[in-house]
Amino acid sequence: GQQLNQSPQSMFIQEGEDVSMNCTSSSIFNTWLWYKQDPGEGPVLLIALYKAGELTSNGRLTAQFGITRKDSFLNISASIPSDVGIYFCAGQDNFNKFYFGSGTKLNVKP
Amino acid sequence: DTEVTQTPKHLVMGMTNKKSLKCEQHMGHRAMYWYKQKAKKPPELMFVYSYEKLSINESVPSRFSPECPNSSLLNLHLHALQPEDSALYLCASSQDKSGGRDTQYFGPGTRLTVL
Repeated sequence: GQQLNQSPQSMFIQEGEDVSMNCTSSSIFNTWLWYKQDPGEGPVLLIALYKAGELTSNGRLTAQFGITRKDSFLNISASIPSDVGIYFCAGQDNFNKFYFGSGTKLNVKP
Repeated sequence: DTEVTQTPKHLVMGMTNKKSLKCEQHMGHRAMYWYKQKAKKPPELMFVYSYEKLSINESVPSRFSPECPNSSLLNLHLHALQPEDSALYLCASSQDKSGGRDTQYFGPGTRLTVL
């Protein structure tokens, strides 16, 4: 199966700092999605990217679809305590299959 | 509306029980998914239904039996589960656009504990 490498695995930051995480793939994807998951809940979609080079924002979040179609990054600016959670990237191939990164656990110190 | 609902929220069952998990979406999506998620791990794909037909089965043991009664509903029937099957079970749906460029939405999950 396709491998998605997500980094970093975890981050400990101060409130107000900016955060960056990324995913790389061994294969080309047609779609990149970024999710946030709180404990015991389902992943919530943050940003969807459909085109190589696309840069999309959602409030303090910005994500980009890499030009090679094999990578994507997510930036969070001016972090706040409610940003705490696990962030997953997901890529979709030509079929109904989504591949997930291993997750980035974000901790924000007030 | 991007809501996927799942019931029950929590389920505790014995190894000899038979139970079912239910999922519903009213977004007109034609692909529906079951995932299993262990703590601190990413969701792990189990099944995909496309236009109410099973299109992907990721070699899931037969004690898990999916069913898609119509385009809005997805069930997962459970029988003779093992304690290691305890996990968060997530349902998701997407439009099923050809060639990718799809967006997948998740439900809140069912926390399953097998005793």
